[in-house]
Amino acid sequence: EPEVTQTPSHQVTQMGQEVILRCVPISNHLYFYWYRQILGQKVEFLVSFYNNEISEKSEIFDDQFSVERPDGSNFTLKIRSTKLEDSAMYFCASKIGTVSYEQYFGPGTRLTVT
Amino acid sequence: AQRVTQPEKLLSVFKGAPVELKCNYSYSGSPELFWYVQYSRQRLQLLLRHISRESIKGFTADLNKGETSFHLKKPFAQEEDSAMYYCALRVGYGGATNKLIFGTGTLLAVQP
Repeated sequence: EPEVTQTPSHQVTQMGQEVILRCVPISNHLYFYWYRQILGQKVEFLVSFYNNEISEKSEIFDDQFSVERPDGSNFTLKIRSTKLEDSAMYFCASKIGTVSYEQYFGPGTRLTVT
Repeated sequence: AQRVTQPEKLLSVFKGAPVELKCNYSYSGSPELFWYVQYSRQRLQLLLRHISRESIKGFTADLNKGETSFHLKKPFAQEEDSAMYYCALRVGYGGATNKLIFGTGTLLAVQP
């Protein structure tokens, strides 16, 4: 069964560094999402992406964040200058189409900012 | 405001006991609610949605609009049900977003 994959599983970076989190959505899916979960807190929506553009972003998704689908298979989340509070589990999800309700989640990338 | 509340962080029951995981929501539109489950070391996966009104792995959930609740129930818990359960509200139905608003999750621990 096709699955969403994410790399790396764990990323450690220093404050102020740029990080890129990578996701490979399920191949025929058209809608892509990033969520994050700070330890002990709820899973929070960051951004949705459709037709090569952002369709919605949350207040968390400020100018330090960007997303890209560079080659038709990968879907990346970039954080330009990481802060300690960016430490969290980041989940990628994808959905096949507008009518479909189910978002398929990746295993997550744990980002630790020191 | 769009909000999902799961009041219990941990629910511990014995095998064979009934289970009820509570979920309340706040949403001005027509709600579409889901339960997601995350077993140990596995990814979030959809357990059930209110529209389908189906039973998955013995779990059911009924949407009560009057009480704005979507509690998850199972009459007889099994040890393999031990997992983190998240209630989620879909927002932006029919649009390009369809983002999910999650509750904080309830850890269900089924004791032998």
